[in-house]
Amino acid sequence: SYVLTQPPSVSVAPGKTARITCGEGNTGSKSVHWYQQKPGQAPVLVVYDDSDRPSGIPERFSGSNSGNTATLTISRVEAGDEADYYCQVWESTSDQVIFGGGTKLTVL
Amino acid sequence: EVQLVQSGGGLVQPGGSLRLSCAASGFTFSSYTMNWVRQAPGKGLEFVSGISSNGRSTYYADSVKGRFIISRDNSKDTLYLQMGSLRAEDKAVYYCARVASPYIYYFDYWGQGMLVTVSS
Repeated sequence: SYVLTQPPSVSVAPGKTARITCGEGNTGSKSVHWYQQKPGQAPVLVVYDDSDRPSGIPERFSGSNSGNTATLTISRVEAGDEADYYCQVWESTSDQVIFGGGTKLTVL
Repeated sequence: EVQLVQSGGGLVQPGGSLRLSCAASGFTFSSYTMNWVRQAPGKGLEFVSGISSNGRSTYYADSVKGRFIISRDNSKDTLYLQMGSLRAEDKAVYYCARVASPYIYYFDYWGQGMLVTVSS
């Protein structure tokens, strides 16, 4: 079955750039979407269709997808960005939603 | 304003049943595919089930197939998840979520989540 692999954790200092990857599964052939989840809260969509941002999401959040890896990039990281981040695709051959295992972003 | 308000969670014994509901407002419910996603304590997000806008197509994760049934009542703007033969590993926070587009499958709105605990 289709698998999306994310690093369990990423740490970054405030003001720096965080990059969270999502790969292993020919992601370049699918649209990848990203969610932010803070403790005790429902997930929030931050990037969809590889690189589009919903209204209300800061421009600091951006996405890319090439080959076997999709990447969520958070520029000028703030303390409020500390959260778990999940990538997601739709696997049409099996009618399944696939989530990556999640990455905990820690702001140092 | 789009809202998804969930109800129906709680404690149930192993082998028991429970029904979750998700009441939608602020949009034309009958035009959107809907899903259930769950999250076990301390774990990641897991797809559970999805249903097309008209209810004719449904799909399930292998882990719940044959035990859970997704349905919707478009006249009541409500999504349901009937859970049966519950197991300890079904313990999780269950979210309903709206699929944003018929062409690109992602979730733009989520319910607040409802905890289901399976324990004797």
